Amino acid sequence: EAGVVQSPRYKIIEKKQPVAFWCNPISGHNTLYWYLQNLGQGPELLIRYENEEAVDDSQLPKDRFSAERLKGVDSTLKIQPAELGDSAVYLCASSFGAQTGNEQFFGPGTRLTVL
Amino acid sequence: GNSVTQMEGPVTLSEEAFLTINCTYTATGYPSLFWYVQYPGEGLQLLLKATKADDKGSNKGFEATYRKETTSFHLEKGSVQVSDSAVYFCALTPNTGGFKTIFGAGTRLFVKA
Repeated sequence: EAGVVQSPRYKIIEKKQPVAFWCNPISGHNTLYWYLQNLGQGPELLIRYENEEAVDDSQLPKDRFSAERLKGVDSTLKIQPAELGDSAVYLCASSFGAQTGNEQFFGPGTRLTVL
Repeated sequence: GNSVTQMEGPVTLSEEAFLTINCTYTATGYPSLFWYVQYPGEGLQLLLKATKADDKGSNKGFEATYRKETTSFHLEKGSVQVSDSAVYFCALTPNTGGFKTIFGAGTRLFVKA
């Protein structure tokens, strides 16, 4: 069974440029998460989808970040324009629902460097 | 609000040594507790979990017990191997208020042969 797929794995851009990350969750998983992981820190939730609906985007900086999950399957996270402080690893995860005991399955992440 | 605090690393051990990584949490109600592991170059993967007080999660020789009275979920292994070198994250998912998972900062473990 394929795991969570993310692309690209690495991205280097100059500040003020746009960037987009793509995620394909495990087949059948209706819940999809985007996390931000700074160096030496644990993942922090940016947005959670239940099917096509964003049910928790309270931590997403909406002035420059946007996300979509149009058909309730794969998802794209965009930053426009990127800032130096956005350099981090962006993780995608998926699960069968978001109930308290459910395991989340993570992709390998996209490491973003903003110069 | 909810939070997770785990011991700072790095932790360096010799092969076959005993491992403890401390984790304490703050949460209302009865959250589920998790340990995730991240091997170099890979995504996080679930190591073990416990969903109610006094439950013990176990996997690959690792164990952790959900202690409600001390709000702790310490990770232990009796004899570590070089292949256990990784970053370990303690996490909780509350059972109320939106199910937002909170992760600790991670503890890096190095095991020397």
